[in-house]
Amino acid sequence: EIVMTQSPLSLSVTPGQPASISCKSSQSLLHTDGKNYLYWYLQKPGQPPQLLIREVSNRFSGVPERFSGSGSGTDFTLTISRVEAEDVGVYYCMQSWERPLTFGGGTKVEIK
Amino acid sequence: EVQLLESGGGLAQPGGSLRLSCAASGFTFDIYAMGWVRQASGRGLEWVSGINNRGLKAYYGESVKGRFTISRDNSMKTVYLQMDSLRAEDTAVYYCAKQVTASGDDAFDIWGQGTVVIVSS
Repeated sequence: EIVMTQSPLSLSVTPGQPASISCKSSQSLLHTDGKNYLYWYLQKPGQPPQLLIREVSNRFSGVPERFSGSGSGTDFTLTISRVEAEDVGVYYCMQSWERPLTFGGGTKVEIK
Repeated sequence: EVQLLESGGGLAQPGGSLRLSCAASGFTFDIYAMGWVRQASGRGLEWVSGINNRGLKAYYGESVKGRFTISRDNSMKTVYLQMDSLRAEDTAVYYCAKQVTASGDDAFDIWGQGTVVIVSS
């Protein structure tokens, strides 16, 4: 199975400052169709996960512009340009290049 | 409003069975794949199973293969997870989730609130 490795495990950010989370896959997620099958989710405390980013860089409906994704192949990054209080929670990357679908271990974002 | 409502969780003994249900509303159910993702307390997310839009193809994680069965009834807009031979390590919150396409080779865009399964004697 494809192993997804996230770093850091946790992040403490001052409101208004940027934050970045790395996700590395054990094999390339770049398909012959040109898409990378990599997604980002945020799980806020006490809630189910919510989809933030599809296929590396496409923000899901309603997701603020301060969230952006980049990368290709095996290395990916989620960036929050200016962190707000409502962004706290655990961020997960997920691949759907092959089954089993696999998630990264999560990165917990807290506000300083 | 797009919604997924899980039910059927509870306490089961090791070796026992439970059947989870997930009722969908607010979208055209039969054109999307569906899946189940679980989360043990304080742990990360684990994909459990998925089924394509017509219910003809089902997929399972290694940890549940041969013990869990996913199915769907498009007329009832419901997806099910039959869990047999339950183990203590199956204890988790089980989320039902809608996928973006019919095949399921993509993201989960809508999630239910989850149902708790506890396996203990």
